[in-house]
Amino acid sequence: GAGVSQSPSNKVTEKGKDVELRCDPISGHTALYWYRQSLGQGLEFLIYFQGNSAPDKSGLPSDRFSAERTGGSVSTLTIQRTQQEDSAVYLCASSVLGGSTDTQYFGPGTRLTVL
Amino acid sequence: AQKVTQAQTEISVVEKEDVTLDCVYETRDTTYYLFWYKQPPSGELVFLIRRNSFDEQNEISGRYSWNFQKSTSSFNFTITASQVVDSAVYFCALSEAWHNAGNMLTFGGGTRLMVKP
Repeated sequence: GAGVSQSPSNKVTEKGKDVELRCDPISGHTALYWYRQSLGQGLEFLIYFQGNSAPDKSGLPSDRFSAERTGGSVSTLTIQRTQQEDSAVYLCASSVLGGSTDTQYFGPGTRLTVL
Repeated sequence: AQKVTQAQTEISVVEKEDVTLDCVYETRDTTYYLFWYKQPPSGELVFLIRRNSFDEQNEISGRYSWNFQKSTSSFNFTITASQVVDSAVYFCALSEAWHNAGNMLTFGGGTRLMVKP
């Protein structure tokens, strides 16, 4: 498809387990963003990639969160030792260049539930 | 630091009514960008409009219109003759011209619009 895709669409896990969330950006988009949407915190920025590098990781909520991007395309967000407060919808977005004039296009999200 | 406030958490209207969603923002930058996104029940954020801080011209797209006023730091969104399909959560967002995180978006809390037949 032409849009941003994310997998899985839903993930239920037990507290303490690790999870990996995947994002496939729009082809040709060099910038990729992860956001989290939760009831208590609304929509919050997590991390940004320009190509394969992440200039700013300050949005990651704890050191249990990490992300990587390979080949300037697919990105994986990993949450280690999941906690119940990690339950949220994780949204990925991509844009052409990552500059201030860009528009971000969002994927459908991954709904993570930690039991 | 940047901030976006959408004071209306929920609005309910009857079909064909006009409705305005409010958005107030804070930023220290002189160059910034404002956005509106729609999030229908399916969950995906759909881009509606982008505006830069140097362009205060109002915009109309079909039943949608946007009123940008720098003097009051507001970027309001009006839907004319609302339809049931307009029911969704609407987010206003801000990005600043220079930030380590590309054009990281700061979102408001969202306004849930319910259009009843």
